[in-house]
Amino acid sequence: DQQVKQNSPSLSVQEGRISILNCDYTNSMFDYFLWYKKYPAEGPTFLISISSIKDKNEDGRFTVFLNKSAKHLSLHIVPSQPGDSAVYFCAASRNSGNTPLVFGKGTRLSVIA
Amino acid sequence: ETGVTQSPTHLIKTRGQQVTLRCSSQSGHNTVSWYQQALGQGPQFIFQYYREEENGRGNFPPRFSGLQFPNYSSELNVNALELDDSALYLCASSTRTAPRDTQYFGPGTRLTVL
Repeated sequence: DQQVKQNSPSLSVQEGRISILNCDYTNSMFDYFLWYKKYPAEGPTFLISISSIKDKNEDGRFTVFLNKSAKHLSLHIVPSQPGDSAVYFCAASRNSGNTPLVFGKGTRLSVIA
Repeated sequence: ETGVTQSPTHLIKTRGQQVTLRCSSQSGHNTVSWYQQALGQGPQFIFQYYREEENGRGNFPPRFSGLQFPNYSSELNVNALELDDSALYLCASSTRTAPRDTQYFGPGTRLTVL
């Protein structure tokens, strides 16, 4: 039973455009959500997080939106750059992060110059 | 500030052997979590250590065991290796501080079991 789902295995976007990566979850006890970026041969790098008490969090070109009623979150990257090409993982946890992270399978983003 | 480091980078073992993977946590972090990432999957939680005690375990058999040392570095031991143990093993460190705790990952150890 997959509690965190990323239904798009891959996404291609032109440089300068918006990239939107989606994530759905099933466990209503999750209260903290994170996005990680992973390059080949490296570990996941923390990108941005959001608590369930918020519906939006911004950090530079990255914005995460949370829709609790739909159990859905999305990561927006504007403008997309070739260096953003990587695998993006959505992760969720309970108890404000003090429990194990549950990951989706990832979405491979390709930003085309 | 030093990030999370792991050793070795790559490892090849045969079925039935035992392996030890090592992790040094980020400076100031007292909690270490281990994850297994199989090909095409997201990382899966193995267990977590906090102040040298196991503090939570995922759905992995007892042949996966670990240790945390007083300096908060950690080891993951896997006995009686199976082919399905081939994966990227990731270590993440954190501080367990309120109100939110974020886990920071090392580069991983790629284990191949033949």
